Amino acid sequence: EVQLMESGGGLVQPGGSLRLSCAASGFTFSSHWLHWVRQAPGKGLVWVSQINTDGSITTYADSVKGRFTISRDNAKNTLFLQMNSLRAEDTAFYYCALTSASGGWYAYDYWGQGTLVTVSS
Amino acid sequence: QSALTQPVSVSGSPGQSITISCSGTSSDVGAYNYVSWYQQFPGRAPKLMIFDVTKRPSGVSDRFSGSKSGNTASLTISGLQAEDEADYYCTSFTYYNTYVFGTGTKITVL
Repeated sequence: EVQLMESGGGLVQPGGSLRLSCAASGFTFSSHWLHWVRQAPGKGLVWVSQINTDGSITTYADSVKGRFTISRDNAKNTLFLQMNSLRAEDTAFYYCALTSASGGWYAYDYWGQGTLVTVSS
Repeated sequence: QSALTQPVSVSGSPGQSITISCSGTSSDVGAYNYVSWYQQFPGRAPKLMIFDVTKRPSGVSDRFSGSKSGNTASLTISGLQAEDEADYYCTSFTYYNTYVFGTGTKITVL
């Protein structure tokens, strides 16, 4: 069974940093692109970032480019999101998501449960 | 990258068919057949309902169907049921090797 478990969320002051983790199991981690998607409370889904299988290709939404860094540790089956220079508008639930053959490789057929990041003084 | 445009809300009676539109541009929806749709209940993670414009994942009811014409994709729910009441989001892979989500649509079953 595919499982994705985010952690690392919490309350941080504006300008601060936070590192999210997503522990994965139930599939061959090193064979899949992985993504972060966020959702502000009561608002819509927003794509944040993606990373390829070996970490050599990363892409970001304009709103986080230069502030967030996606990475992965294939030996530990873990995805990361380093978030720096955080702003109030970064407050959201952050989901890690997986694309696989069963979803055509361009859709998220597995999601974690999300971790809440709150940026506030 | 601007969000894809969806109606804020759509409603229908049980048994009816409803359609949700998802309008984008020639750089996203119109560029590739990589549009997918997600169902989300309050407090829960999204669930994939349609991928590659028209395909249903295993286990998703055939009451859900997808289509696309030009820069606009659509999700149709046939035989509307009370359990379909949720938020629905489209998303598309883009020319820039990124993804963009729709603004989301709340489905109400009358």
